[in-house]
Amino acid sequence: GNSVTQMEGPVTLSEEAFLTINCTYTATGYPSLFWYVQYPGEGLQLLLKATKADDKGSNKGFEATYRKETTSFHLEKGSVQVSDSAVYFCALRETGNQFYFGTGTSLTVIP
Amino acid sequence: KAGVTQTPRYLIKTRGQQVTLSCSPISGHRSVSWYQQTPGQGLQFLFEYFSETQRNKGNFPGRFSGRQFSNSRSEMNVSTLELGDSALYLCASSLASTGASYEQYFGPGTRLTVT
Repeated sequence: GNSVTQMEGPVTLSEEAFLTINCTYTATGYPSLFWYVQYPGEGLQLLLKATKADDKGSNKGFEATYRKETTSFHLEKGSVQVSDSAVYFCALRETGNQFYFGTGTSLTVIP
Repeated sequence: KAGVTQTPRYLIKTRGQQVTLSCSPISGHRSVSWYQQTPGQGLQFLFEYFSETQRNKGNFPGRFSGRQFSNSRSEMNVSTLELGDSALYLCASSLASTGASYEQYFGPGTRLTVT
C-alpha cells in the first residue's frame, strides 16, 4: 500500500540555519509528491510538488527532489526565517487514489 | 479566484448529537476531499467525492458520511457524536480526481468540539 514517513518533530532552529526535513514514501506505482505547510490556525497550503523522478520542486526558497531510487522527497531550505515556523507535511498521490499524508513536522525558528 | 470556504468555522456540540459541515470548493474544481486532523492522529483521510460520486473512502465508522451536490459543494455529516470526534475538519478541492499531479487546495477548517 501507499504510505509516507516523515521526520519526527519538533524541530527548533536559529534564524538563518539550514533546514532539512526528511520524507520517505512507499507506493505501488508512480506517485506525485507534495510538500504542504500549515500555519497556526489555518488550513494546509501547497508549498511545492514534483510529478516524476528527478524532478525538483521549489518555492519561497524551499526545495525538494523526487528520488525514486531512495523513495525520498526531503525538504530543504538554505536559510530559515522566523516566518517559516509552521508544520510541514509530506504527501503523495497516485492516479485514481487519495492523497496520503505524513504525520507532519513542526518547525520553530528562533531569532 | 475565491479559495475553499468552510462553514461554520467553529462548532460546539454535545455527545450524541449530529453535525453537518459544509464545504464550497474553488470554482471549477470538481473533486472534494475531507480530512480529520487531531494532535494525536495527525491528518486522517475521510472520503473524496468527484461529480457527486464517492471515489475513495478512509477507515472511519459509518457515523461519518458525506455527499456532493451538482454544483460541487460538499457536506459531511457525523451522527451520534463522541468525545473523540473533537477535531479540526479540513476540506480540500482539486481540479480532478484521477490525475496524480493535481494538487489539493485546503480550506481553513471547521473546529468541532464535542462536550
